[in-house]
Amino acid sequence: QKEVEQNSGPLSVPEGAIASLNCTYSDRVSQSFFWYRQYSGKSPELIMSIYSNGDKEDGRFTAQLNKASQYVSLLIRDSQPSDSATYLCAVNDGLTGGGNKLTFGTGTQLKVEL
Amino acid sequence: GAGVSQSPRYKVAKRGQDVALRCDPISGHVSLFWYQQALGQGPEFLTYFQNEAQLDKSGLPSDRFFAERPEGSVSTLKIQRTQQEDSAVYLCASTRAAGPFQETQYFGPGTRLLVL
Repeated sequence: QKEVEQNSGPLSVPEGAIASLNCTYSDRVSQSFFWYRQYSGKSPELIMSIYSNGDKEDGRFTAQLNKASQYVSLLIRDSQPSDSATYLCAVNDGLTGGGNKLTFGTGTQLKVEL
Repeated sequence: GAGVSQSPRYKVAKRGQDVALRCDPISGHVSLFWYQQALGQGPEFLTYFQNEAQLDKSGLPSDRFFAERPEGSVSTLKIQRTQQEDSAVYLCASTRAAGPFQETQYFGPGTRLLVL
């Protein structure tokens, strides 16, 4: 059973601070890693994807991947109240027969306080 | 289309009733996925289509769940004899291609099913 683990939170940070969201996964053959943002009552929206070890930056967002430790994280710099949402970590194993289905964590609720 | 669309957006069913949920993927997208998201949980995989072929249905929780995509575009998820534990949001996602593991899944708004 493939597992993706996240702290459910809530994680509270003050406006302007750095929010750090963490995720671990159990399947060593996992190939690609995604962070989705989900506002209450809405569908998941892709924030970042990462496939290689190291850091990947996009605006205020940085994804970090360490395959040896089976760990992926998302940093949000200069956090804004509009960043308040649930952040879902998702993993796929890249097996073509499996169609790249995603295994999701339960999500971490982020609250950015004024 | 501009994005993945799903209908109905909300569905209330009495226990034992059959329901059908529709997904219109992004035009030309080869792959289509169905996920079930219970309250406070992440989405869980149900089934996967590549064009009209259902290649993976390992996530369907029981034989009451059935999905089809007969012409390789629109898909329908059918739940027979609904039970209260079927109450969840059903999400549809599509990707442009079938192979590369980097393909981004684009999600529809979901259908919120409540079984009374």
